[in-house]
Amino acid sequence: SDVLTQPPSVSVAPGETARITCGGYNVGSKSVHWYQQRPGQAPMLVIYYDSDRPSGIPERFSGSKSGNTATLTISRVEAGDEADYHCQVWDSISDCADFGGGTKLTVL
Amino acid sequence: EVQLVQSGADVKKTGESLTISCQGSGYTFTSYWIGWVRQMPGKGLEWMGIIFPSDSDTRYSPSFQGQVTISVDKSISTAYLQWSSLSASDTAIYYCARRITVIREKYYFDSWGQGTLVTVSS
Repeated sequence: SDVLTQPPSVSVAPGETARITCGGYNVGSKSVHWYQQRPGQAPMLVIYYDSDRPSGIPERFSGSKSGNTATLTISRVEAGDEADYHCQVWDSISDCADFGGGTKLTVL
Repeated sequence: EVQLVQSGADVKKTGESLTISCQGSGYTFTSYWIGWVRQMPGKGLEWMGIIFPSDSDTRYSPSFQGQVTISVDKSISTAYLQWSSLSASDTAIYYCARRITVIREKYYFDSWGQGTLVTVSS
């Protein structure tokens, strides 16, 4: 399966913009999905198909992709955004889901 | 409202067997694949496998093939994850999740269970 690389941690002050990257071979040819996992909770979908938002997810959350790197951007960061964020693609060759290692977002 | 409700936490000893469950509600259970994901303490998400409740078609990650068994009872809208002989390295939180398959090979998981903590000690 493909390897997805995320930074282990990102720190931002409240009100600033957080950017979390997800890179890997062939990411450019796949759809990238993002999940938020608050401490002690289950993952929750925040972005699908690279940049679509499920209903109920604030517009502050956006996704983009350039080449083989996808980026989750959180604008006007709030304390409640502090969580682990995981990217995911589907590997069509092995028919498996691939997850990145996760990024811990700390709100200073 | 789509809901996936998992069975409660369990504590087992090495070598014991275990089955955990995931019951779906609020949607047509047989129309969506259900996947299982492992999260070891302080670690990321690992995909284990997936099952289609309508016909029990099952796929496993190579890392988990032969280590666990995924099954389903569609009459009660419940998927299962089973171990025949647990080891300490199976200690983790296990999540079930519903897979969305609108676009071929661009699958994602839109709803997740609350997780089941499995603790295995010697």
